[in-house]
Amino acid sequence: EAEVAQSPRYKITEKSQAVAFWCDPISGHATLYWYRQILGQGPELLVQFQDESVVDDSQLPKDRFSAERLKGVDSTLKIQPAELGDSAMYLCASSLAGTNNEQFFGPGTRLTVL
Amino acid sequence: QQQVKQSPQSLIVQKGGISIINCAYENTAFDYFPWYQQFPGKGPALLIAIRPDVSEKKEGRFTISFNKSAKQFSLHIMDSQPGDSATYFCAASKGATNKLIFGTGTLLAVQP
Repeated sequence: EAEVAQSPRYKITEKSQAVAFWCDPISGHATLYWYRQILGQGPELLVQFQDESVVDDSQLPKDRFSAERLKGVDSTLKIQPAELGDSAMYLCASSLAGTNNEQFFGPGTRLTVL
Repeated sequence: QQQVKQSPQSLIVQKGGISIINCAYENTAFDYFPWYQQFPGKGPALLIAIRPDVSEKKEGRFTISFNKSAKQFSLHIMDSQPGDSATYFCAASKGATNKLIFGTGTLLAVQP
């Protein structure tokens, strides 16, 4: 069964350091999402790609976060510099293009900022 | 207006009982209402979803009830099993955006 792959699964870093997360969506899924899930809360969308284009990054803290999907397949989310409040689960999801298609989530990257 | 309010925060149910989780929304432009199930250390997985043109959708032991006039929808888990113990999230999205707005989650524990 096709799955969304994410790496690393866990990341511990010190504040002010740079971190990067990688996501490989299900093959053929044109839409890719990055969510942040703080412990005890629901996921919050950070950025949404349609192929290689950003369609929504309204909740992305652009002073420190960046995301790219250069060839419209896999994607990288970067944080520089990391802050204590960035500690969370970072989830990647993908879906077929179109309206209200099921979003398939990866296992996430658990980030701890010390 | 973008919020989806979910209750209860946690729920304990005996095996074989009915689990009920409720959500409410304000934005009448929402037109897709999925429920996701999340186990510890895993990403959320779609459980069941409904659109506002129907009042109920059933898949196996899982049923969504939708009240458009009250702007509320709920998940019913019949014959709850210990394997159903997980966190459940309701969500909503509108139109072509596919942007899911999630509730705060309900931690369900089904006791054997």
